[in-house]
Parts: sequence; C-alpha cells; structure tokens
Amino acid sequence: EPEVTQTPSHQVTQMGQEVILRCVPISNHLYFYWYRQILGQKVEFLVSFYNNEISEKSEIFDDQFSVERPDGSNFTLKIRSTKLEDSAMYFCARRSGPTDGYTFGSGTRLTVV
Amino acid sequence: GNSVTQMEGPVTLSEEAFLTINCTYTATGYPSLFWYVQYPGEGLQLLLKATKADDKGSNKGFEATYRKETTSFHLEKGSVQVSDSAVYFCALDSSYKLIFGSGTRLLVRP
Repeated sequence: EPEVTQTPSHQVTQMGQEVILRCVPISNHLYFYWYRQILGQKVEFLVSFYNNEISEKSEIFDDQFSVERPDGSNFTLKIRSTKLEDSAMYFCARRSGPTDGYTFGSGTRLTVV
Repeated sequence: GNSVTQMEGPVTLSEEAFLTINCTYTATGYPSLFWYVQYPGEGLQLLLKATKADDKGSNKGFEATYRKETTSFHLEKGSVQVSDSAVYFCALDSSYKLIFGSGTRLLVRP
C-alpha cells in the first residue's frame, strides 16, 4: 500500500511557539491516529480520529493539542504552545477499517528549544 | 487496562543465531496482536500480525504465534542477519487503537 507521508521530517521550534505537523494519508481511509515517541522510550497513543471527529484521546492530549482534517486529505496535529517535554518523534497512522492493519508514516522529529 | 510487556534489551546476537523476543499481554477478549520494527532513523513498519488465537504471523523469516493460554506473542527468527538490527515493538489492538510495548533493541554482530 502507498506510504503515509509526514511533513516536515524534522522541526526545531522555540518553547511557547505553535507548531503544525502534517500527514497525508490516502483519502479513502477512515481511521487516523497520532502517536508520539520520546527519544528511546515507548510509542504512546495521543488521539484517534474517525469520520472527521476525535473518537478517543489520551491523557497526554491536553488542551495544547488539536487535530484537524482541513481539506479531506491532509491530517494535522497542532501544538499551540510547545514545551520542552513535547520534544519527541510524532507518528501519524491510518487504517482502512476496524480490522485492518495500521500503516505508520516515517514521523516528524520535533525539537523544542 | 490492556497492556503489553516486552523483554528488556538490548539483545545482542551474532549473525545466524536464533532470536526470541518475548512479549506477553493483558487484555479483555482476544485482541489482534502485532509486531512492528523500527530501523535506525526510520518510522514504524508492520512486521507481522495475528488476529485470533493459535494464528501464526510470519514475514521475512520472523514468526510469532498467538498463544491465548499463556497470553504471549513471542517473536522468533531462526537465523538473524546484521540487517535485522532494529527496535522491535509488540502491540495489541485495544478498542481501535494500538497499545505498544516498550520495545526491544536487537543488535546483530557480524
């Protein structure tokens, strides 16, 4: 299957700034996800998005985070006011249906300085 | 809640050695189980999966069998190569999201 494309591959931002991470899945997929991986640690679930709505979010996904699918193909994760501890690798994922496998993007490495 | 426990790494092996990476899970019902691999500097790639008890997933010489009696999904490979050096994540499908284990780093030396 075609890959999930994430942009940018690496972003450096100053603490307190807003960042938008982008994901381009295939438009006929219904389920989208954001995960993050702090360096050397486990992959953590952030949020799931189904039928253009958030279906579930984790405790990590606080008011600083938001997701959108603004144009029907791109899927974005916004962090409103970044903190040092937001530095991590952020992965987008998609799946076609509830019993299908998950396909991950190559990730965006976010560094907050 | 549902969770996944993996053996801690790193696991260091010589080329052509036999590999086992242990994975056990806690879950209600019988979730689908996955192994993902992350090569250095890259994203997560699905290695194999099993959707029901006693299923065996296999890919690229790797195998894992869904054992409900021991709630395990151990990853095995008969003869590892240097190119298999990566981090391996066991995961389960929990209410339409993946829950990952902490990952096990594999280092294969020539």
